[in-house]
Amino acid sequence: EVQLVESGGGLVQPGGSLRLSCAASGFTVKNHYMTWVRQAPGKGLEWVSVIYTIGSTKYADSVKGRFTISRDTSKNTLYLQMDRLRADDTAVYYCVRDKADGDNGWDYWGQGTLVTVSS
Amino acid sequence: DIVMTQSPDSLAVSLGERATINCKSSQTILYSSNSKEYLAWYQQKPGQPPKLLIYWASTRDSGVPDRFSGSGSGTDFTLTISSLQAEDVAVYYCQQYYVTPFTFGQGTRLEIK
Repeated sequence: EVQLVESGGGLVQPGGSLRLSCAASGFTVKNHYMTWVRQAPGKGLEWVSVIYTIGSTKYADSVKGRFTISRDTSKNTLYLQMDRLRADDTAVYYCVRDKADGDNGWDYWGQGTLVTVSS
Repeated sequence: DIVMTQSPDSLAVSLGERATINCKSSQTILYSSNSKEYLAWYQQKPGQPPKLLIYWASTRDSGVPDRFSGSGSGTDFTLTISSLQAEDVAVYYCQQYYVTPFTFGQGTRLEIK
């Protein structure tokens, strides 16, 4: 059974850092595009970052230069390092699996982890 | 960036009736090499992550009831629920996954009338 379990969220001051983790089971992370999506309280969905099977990465302009996506194949885990956090980064962050190399949508989502940036 | 615009923002439909949600992209999301529209629909119930319903504009994901259907091409797409059930109350999002930044519509809140 495919599962994605995020952790690492919490309360952080503006300018601070957090690292989110997403432990995957039931499939191999390196064989799928993996994405982070966030949702501010009461708002819609916003794509944050993707890591492709070849290891290349892309970022939304709003987080470029501050966030870094990565994976650890030995732990089958996806990460999102978030630096220089701002109040508008406050959101639930979802770890998401791409169904098939970017062709068929995103079929598994974690339950999300809440990041609150506030002083 | 490709802008996705949904209409309406909210919708109230009677049980058993048809619900229709529209989505317009600001530019084509057709991948010419396979002639597929890179448009997906997601359903999000309160307190839950989104769930994939439709990809390639009209292909239902596995296990999705056949009352959900997607259609459209070019820049105009539609999600139709043929006979609304109580469990379909949710927010629905369209999304283009043709090119980064991947973008979502603003969401359509579907309620029971």
